Amino acid sequence: GQQVMQIPQYQHVQEGEDFTTYCNSSTTLSNIQWYKQRPGGHPVFLIQLVKSGEVKKQKRLTFQFGEAKKNSSLHITATQTTDVGTYFCAGRPDSSYKLIFGSGTRLLVRP
Amino acid sequence: NAGVTQTPKFRVLKTGQSMTLLCAQDMNHEYMYWYRQDPGMGLRLIHYSVGEGTTAKGEVPDGYNVSRLKKQNFLLGLESAAPSQTSVYFCASSSSLRYNEQFFGPGTRLTVL
Repeated sequence: GQQVMQIPQYQHVQEGEDFTTYCNSSTTLSNIQWYKQRPGGHPVFLIQLVKSGEVKKQKRLTFQFGEAKKNSSLHITATQTTDVGTYFCAGRPDSSYKLIFGSGTRLLVRP
Repeated sequence: NAGVTQTPKFRVLKTGQSMTLLCAQDMNHEYMYWYRQDPGMGLRLIHYSVGEGTTAKGEVPDGYNVSRLKKQNFLLGLESAAPSQTSVYFCASSSSLRYNEQFFGPGTRLTVL
């Protein structure tokens, strides 16, 4: 079936270091969304990418959508303790309207 | 404006018992979803609804039933709970099926003994 793979599963960084999580889909995506879930909380929408090669920035967060619309990445520059949480990508295949979530990357930040 | 609310927040069931999880949204969204979240597996879609009176199966529908009698409410039922249904359940809603963000409720943590 259609899958969205996300790596790494965990990342433990020192505050101030950068962080990147990657998503790869087995099929072409019409769009991809990113969510953040704080410990004990619920997923909260961060951004959506729709166009091939699209790059969007939100302060220290940079989101990219691959040229082939099958992969995406989230990069955080100079992490802060407030960045702690699990980051999920969620892709919507061209052939479907269902969101398929990656397994998430849990980010831990040492102060 | 409460967004998406879920009741109960926590529940412990014995194998074979039944229960209903309630989701309510006040954003007038057409589309509603039930997900389950298990460690290391992200969110998996159980059932969804594209409008009042309609429901459809998601990725992992077995053992669950749903109903959407009112636009603002989406109910998830477990007729005979099994330990494999121990999970955190999230309800979500959206105004579009294909392009808009999904708004999630706070979740229900269910343990089946």
